[in-house]
Amino acid sequence: AIRMTQSPSSFSASTGDRVTITCRASQDISAYLAWYQQKPGKAPKPLIYAASTLQGGVPPRFSGSGSGTNFALTISCLQSEDFATYYCQQYYNYPWTFGQGTKVEIK
Amino acid sequence: QVQLQESGPGLVKPSETLSLTCTVSGGSIRSYYWSWIRQPPGKGLEWIGYIYYSGSTNYNPSLTSRVTMSVDTSKNQFSLKLTSVTAADTAVYHCARHIGASRAFDIWGQGTMVTVSS
Repeated sequence: AIRMTQSPSSFSASTGDRVTITCRASQDISAYLAWYQQKPGKAPKPLIYAASTLQGGVPPRFSGSGSGTNFALTISCLQSEDFATYYCQQYYNYPWTFGQGTKVEIK
Repeated sequence: QVQLQESGPGLVKPSETLSLTCTVSGGSIRSYYWSWIRQPPGKGLEWIGYIYYSGSTNYNPSLTSRVTMSVDTSKNQFSLKLTSVTAADTAVYHCARHIGASRAFDIWGQGTMVTVSS
């Protein structure tokens, strides 16, 4: 199975900050990469698919980049509602696999 | 607006079978792929497998010997059965939709907690 490794595992930030989360795949996955946001007790919310395409209704402060094995999720100006855990997921090969998650906390 | 709702017992005894159903409302189950994903308490996400509305399936090799998925298009529902459960199967189980076999999830259910305990 393809291993997805996110970094960092967690970090603290302030509203208004620009933050970047990285995701590395253990093999080339082209652009078959999605990002999800999850808040406690809630379902994951789709943010990005195909590495850089925003899902409908997702604010443009979110952006995704990368291809091959290295990917990034950037939030350009962190808002209070963005404090959550973020997961990347590859859908290039079965079994589909997720990163371990990155928790973004309030500083 | 399409919504997914998982249902089933919240407590299952070890060695027994976990059975869950996902009901699709606000849209048709046809022409889409439907997955199950689980999340053990405090841990990350694990894809269990998918079923196409026609009934074709694809399971995670780590679970394939214990997993069966089925679909009932007349009820707009699909189901998961996981046999011989242990405490390691304790998790929140989510159902989710994807448009193609190689497409990301675009809609998730809220999830249902299943505890395996005697």
